[in-house]
Amino acid sequence: GNSVTQMEGPVTLSEEAFLTINCTYTATGYPSLFWYVQYPGEGLQLLLKATKADDKGSNKGFEATYRKETTSFHLEKGSVQVSDSAVYFCALTGHAGGTSYGKLTFGQGTILTVHP
Amino acid sequence: GAGVSQTPSNKVTEKGKYVELRCDPISGHTALYWYRQSLGQGPEFLIYFQGTGAADDSGLPNDRFFAVRPEGSVSTLKIQRTERGDSAVYLCASSFRATSGVEGTYNEQFFGPGTRLTVL
Repeated sequence: GNSVTQMEGPVTLSEEAFLTINCTYTATGYPSLFWYVQYPGEGLQLLLKATKADDKGSNKGFEATYRKETTSFHLEKGSVQVSDSAVYFCALTGHAGGTSYGKLTFGQGTILTVHP
Repeated sequence: GAGVSQTPSNKVTEKGKYVELRCDPISGHTALYWYRQSLGQGPEFLIYFQGTGAADDSGLPNDRFFAVRPEGSVSTLKIQRTERGDSAVYLCASSFRATSGVEGTYNEQFFGPGTRLTVL
């Protein structure tokens, strides 16, 4: 079945540092890949997505590139802010040839704390 | 417009009791999903509806769990004979329609705030 593996956390950075959170996946067919974010006290929000191989998703200064050859979708940001402190989840949903199309499979989440 | 809403926000119950958790999706969304998030983990899929029917219930852990969506809008997740291991945050999400299965397409799922269930 489908699975997502995220780097172990938590991650603690100083403001303006570079961020990478690793994500690799196992899936059949042509999955779409996502990063979701959960800010303190709030619900899950879609941060960015990529629906085809080599697509780059970007939002709020975050980027991730869908690498089919390495089955990866690493999240990066060049300069983090205190307001980026949150839990980040990598996720995928299957497509033709895979399992159920609609359901999301999530990684375990990475807690990011950014200090001033 | 209103987002996905879930009630109650918190539910404390005793082992063996029956609980119902409600989800109100975004108006016009035909697909509705239930997930369960245990502490320190990512959400895990339980069931999804396309319209009134359960299109995939493969994530329901056992027959104590059941969900309905009788009119294709509001959904209720029902848990019988609750156990301490059922304690988690139950998340609901909706999308305009279920992802079609064609590569490169996706219908975004919008999540509710969740119901925190505690079984004592």
